[in-house]
Amino acid sequence: EVQLVQSGAEVRKPGESLNISCQGSAFSSPNYWVGWVRQMPGKGLEWIGIIYPSDSETTYSPSFQGRVTISADKSINTAYLHWSSLQASDTAIYYCATWSGTYRAFDYWGQGALVTVSS
Amino acid sequence: DIQMTQSPSSLSASVGDRVTITCRASQTIFTYLNWYHQIPGKPPKVLIYSASHLESGVPSRFSGSGSGTDFTLTINSLQPADFGTYYCQQSYTTPHSFGQGTKVDIK
Repeated sequence: EVQLVQSGAEVRKPGESLNISCQGSAFSSPNYWVGWVRQMPGKGLEWIGIIYPSDSETTYSPSFQGRVTISADKSINTAYLHWSSLQASDTAIYYCATWSGTYRAFDYWGQGALVTVSS
Repeated sequence: DIQMTQSPSSLSASVGDRVTITCRASQTIFTYLNWYHQIPGKPPKVLIYSASHLESGVPSRFSGSGSGTDFTLTINSLQPADFGTYYCQQSYTTPHSFGQGTKVDIK
C-alpha cells in the first residue's frame, strides 16, 4: 500500500516563504501524479494543482496559479508545495495525495500539514 | 472552471436509514465523478470513482450513480462510522474541482 508522509506543522509570519513536503513510494510509478489540496479552517476541499513526478509537468488551478509553486524530486520520491510570500489567508491544512491516472481519483492521501500564518 | 454543487449541505439520519446525497456539475462531465468521505481530523478517503465504481475495501452499502451533470451517492443502512463530510469531485478536466461538501450527522 502506498504511504504518503507529509512534513510537520508550520507557523510563519506574513511575507515569509515556506516549503512543505510529501514523500511517497508511488511517485516513480507510471500513470501516477501527485496533487495538493487545501482545506481552510472549518471549510471544504480545494484543488490546488498536480504534478507528474517523472517529468515535473505541472497544472495549477487558476485560483492558485502564481500564489504557490509545486515541484517534485523523483530521485527521493518527494513533492513540494512552496510559497514565496505567505498571507494570513494561506492558513489551512494542506494535503498531498496521489492521483491515479487509471481511476482518475485521489487514491492515497498524506496526513495533512497545518500551516498557520500569523503576525 | 466546472462548478460542483452538492445537496443537501447537511443532514441528520438514524443508524439503519438510507441516505442520498446529490451532486450537480455546471457542465457535462460524463461519468468523471468521484466521491470522498472525510472524518474530522483525518484526510479524505475515496469511496467511489467514475461515478459508480466502488473503491476496493469500501463497504457495499455505498453506491454511486449518474452521468452527464447529475450524480447521486447512496448509503444503504447508515452506520455510526459513516458520520462526517462527503465530497464529490469532477475528474473530467483540470482543475478537478470539489463540491462544497455534505455533512452527515448520526441522530
